[in-house]
Amino acid sequence: NAGVTQTPKFRVLKTGQSMTLLCAQDMNHEYMYWYRQDPGMGLRLIHYSVGEGTTAKGEVPDGYNVSRLKKQNFLLGLESAAPSQTSVYFCASSSTSSGGPARGRELFFGEGSRLTVL
Amino acid sequence: EDQVTQSPEALRLQEGESSSLNCSYTVSGLRGLFWYRQDPGKGPEFLFTLYSAGEEKEKERLKATLTKKESFLHITAPKPEDSATYLCAVRVHGPGSGGYQKVTFGTGTKLQVIP
Repeated sequence: NAGVTQTPKFRVLKTGQSMTLLCAQDMNHEYMYWYRQDPGMGLRLIHYSVGEGTTAKGEVPDGYNVSRLKKQNFLLGLESAAPSQTSVYFCASSSTSSGGPARGRELFFGEGSRLTVL
Repeated sequence: EDQVTQSPEALRLQEGESSSLNCSYTVSGLRGLFWYRQDPGKGPEFLFTLYSAGEEKEKERLKATLTKKESFLHITAPKPEDSATYLCAVRVHGPGSGGYQKVTFGTGTKLQVIP
């Protein structure tokens, strides 16, 4: 059972280049998220999706785009990379199970994708 | 604005020296508080969910408690393998009417347990 898988794990880009990070989950979760983690800043939400074909902006969406064409996949794109986007990116997913205010809705994270923009 | 503050930023303990990590929060409409463990170079790993004040959860040497303003992660007789960064997160109602609930993370406490 793989859980949440992110590719690639490492990438180095030059300023202005574009790239896509892929996230795949095999838990049939409805919700998926992209976070970035920077020293001293904690995890910050970039974009999220509440279901196939839907996406929404999080706390720090500028410079990123996302797509959720299939329920199990959530793609994060950088159209023109900037040094400020150097970070570790985490994908997560969660279920929508009922039974309480947050029961069964804990986030499951991937191993992370370390991106360096020169 | 929802805020989550964790303290201390870093904690160094001798093996067997018990202590507590703090997570204080200011949110409107708490729907759950999560504790995660994160090892270097890895993604956060879920530990506990607490839903209401007075609730407690335990797992091995870890015990999480919740009040109306803060949560504590108590570590009893820690071992070197407990060394990690511990993250606290709160879940509140998100925008829209689709049932989405926003999760906000603290910056974590880096725990080092010395043999």
